[in-house]
Amino acid sequence: GENVEQHPSTLSVQEGDSAVIKCTYSDSASNYFPWYKQELGKRPQLIIDIRSNVGEKKDQRIAVTLNKTAKHFSLHITETQPEDSAVYFCAASEANGNQFYFGTGTSLTVIP
Amino acid sequence: EAGVVQSPRYKIIEKKQPVAFWCNPISGHNTLYWYLQNLGQGPELLIRYENEEAVDDSQLPKDRFSAERLKGVDSTLKIQPAELGDSAVYLCASSYGGGPTYEQYFGPGTRLTVT
Repeated sequence: GENVEQHPSTLSVQEGDSAVIKCTYSDSASNYFPWYKQELGKRPQLIIDIRSNVGEKKDQRIAVTLNKTAKHFSLHITETQPEDSAVYFCAASEANGNQFYFGTGTSLTVIP
Repeated sequence: EAGVVQSPRYKIIEKKQPVAFWCNPISGHNTLYWYLQNLGQGPELLIRYENEEAVDDSQLPKDRFSAERLKGVDSTLKIQPAELGDSAVYLCASSYGGGPTYEQYFGPGTRLTVT
């Protein structure tokens, strides 16, 4: 099955700086890569996703890049704010889109 | 639109006792997932349903865990007997399989503490 690795496990940045979280996957058949944000004690919520036919996608301060050849994808958060502090999970999905494999999470702290 | 509903939100039981969790997915979502999330880890799939059929239960410890999704809507996950290592958050999620997006919507989870 798919194996998703995520780095770093913890990340601290100053408010206004950028944050980058990286994930790698093993199954070349995976074609859908969502990112979830989970605040303390709350449910994971989708913040952005990308499909394998696209190399980059941006939504305001959040962007995701995908390198299919290298099998890695990254989350970029610019102009970070304290409310961005949370645990972020990447995931990779099999071709049918119904089986998700999650990374181990990155705990992001934005220091005011 | 109501989100995924789970109950109870918290459960504390002694080891060897049984426990059950309930999930009501988003209306119209035919795919339902049960995940286990340990502290500091990502969700790990326990079982996936397509309508009422369990299509992937390879990670479900079948000696003590069981699940059902009668009528292809609500689902229950049961542990009997519970062990100390079962303490975790149990997340339910649903998606509209085959739709234009694959987004999974998560419930708030049930935090289980086994003492």
